Amino acid sequence: DTAVSQTPKYLVTQMGNDKSIKCEQNLGHDTMYWYKQDSKKFLKIMFSYNNKELIINETVPNRFSPKSPDKAHLNLHINSLELGDSAVYFCASSLTKVRSTDTQYFGPGTRLTVL
Amino acid sequence: ILNVEQSPQSLHVQEGDSTNFTCSFPSSNFYALHWYRWETAKSPEALFVMTLNGDEKKKGRISATLNTKEGYSYLYIKGSQPEDSATYLCASSNDYKLSFGAGTTVTVRA
Repeated sequence: DTAVSQTPKYLVTQMGNDKSIKCEQNLGHDTMYWYKQDSKKFLKIMFSYNNKELIINETVPNRFSPKSPDKAHLNLHINSLELGDSAVYFCASSLTKVRSTDTQYFGPGTRLTVL
Repeated sequence: ILNVEQSPQSLHVQEGDSTNFTCSFPSSNFYALHWYRWETAKSPEALFVMTLNGDEKKKGRISATLNTKEGYSYLYIKGSQPEDSATYLCASSNDYKLSFGAGTTVTVRA
């Protein structure tokens, strides 16, 4: 069974569209994350939710809105897509938020291409 | 977001040879240092988490050391095999937020 899954794996869309990426974890973890892999290949944290509560919200345009219907799911909705949004987006989860030693488990990534 | 640097960016190593590479991170307010292994078309997978100065961790032929006072960690691969080819990421955590380096891409030549 896949521990952290993301759909879709690839997403190609036109500028100005609205799209969502879904993430699910079956590990029973309390905390989930969204990362963006930028053009220099860095993984940069965007958001983190702990048991449906937003706990990290980095400097991300408000066109990006995370939604956590339950602690096993964290979806990323992006409005008015721009060319610069093209990137690979990774979802991750960890057991808790309070311990910095918690391993984060990553999904396979969603490659978003905005034309 | 912490400034985490890895060097070299990439390296090639002959099968059977050993290699090592570096992760540098801010030593102030240090919580933990994570190493991940990232194979092409797969997800990053955790290798080690280290917290104490002088920590050493080992997993098979891969090991890591930690110096929190000077802010660096080394990852060693002993007797490299083709399956060790991957990008190795380090990440320093500040409470529960991980700041990743750009990775060192290792290519093992048969």
